[in-house]
Amino acid sequence: EPEVTQTPSHQVTQMGQEVILRCVPISNHLYFYWYRQILGQKVEFLVSFYNNEISEKSEIFDDQFSVERPDGSNFTLKIRSTKLEDSAMYFCASSPDSSGANVLTFGAGSRLTVL
Amino acid sequence: GENVEQHPSTLSVQEGDSAVIKCTYSDSASNYFPWYKQELGKGPQLIIDIRSNVGEKKDQRIAVTLNKTAKHFSLHITETQPEDSAVYFCAAYPYNTDKLIFGTGTRLQVFP
Repeated sequence: EPEVTQTPSHQVTQMGQEVILRCVPISNHLYFYWYRQILGQKVEFLVSFYNNEISEKSEIFDDQFSVERPDGSNFTLKIRSTKLEDSAMYFCASSPDSSGANVLTFGAGSRLTVL
Repeated sequence: GENVEQHPSTLSVQEGDSAVIKCTYSDSASNYFPWYKQELGKGPQLIIDIRSNVGEKKDQRIAVTLNKTAKHFSLHITETQPEDSAVYFCAAYPYNTDKLIFGTGTRLQVFP
């Protein structure tokens, strides 16, 4: 069964450092997403991406965050200058379409720890 | 914006018993309600979903019901097995948006 793969599975970084989380969505999917889950809290939407641009973003997704699809397969989330409160599990997801009722497939997540 | 509440936060049942998890949502325009299962170290996996034009949907031991008037939906698992142990999340898709709004999760433990 096709799956979304994420790397790294766990990253530890110092506050203020830049971090890039990588995702390989399912190959025929057109919509890509990042969600995050702070330990013990609910999964929260960060950003959606379609046709090489952001289609929607949450208030969490400020200027410190950016996303990119540098080639035909990877989808990345960059945090420019990490803060302690960025520590969370980050999930990438993809879907074949977005009609307001699309089915998301999530990756296993990248755990980010900011010290 | 949409807000999804989920109860209970933890649920322990004996193998073979039924488990019910309930969610409420606030935005009456939400039109799609998926349920995700998250096992330790893995991402959320879709187990069943329901759209706003349907009241009930069943897939083997799993069923979901939707009450649009009351704005609540529930997950029912019958004949529970130890491998059903996981965290379950409900979610809602507000109309005309890309974002899925998740509930707070229910940790289900099925004891043999």
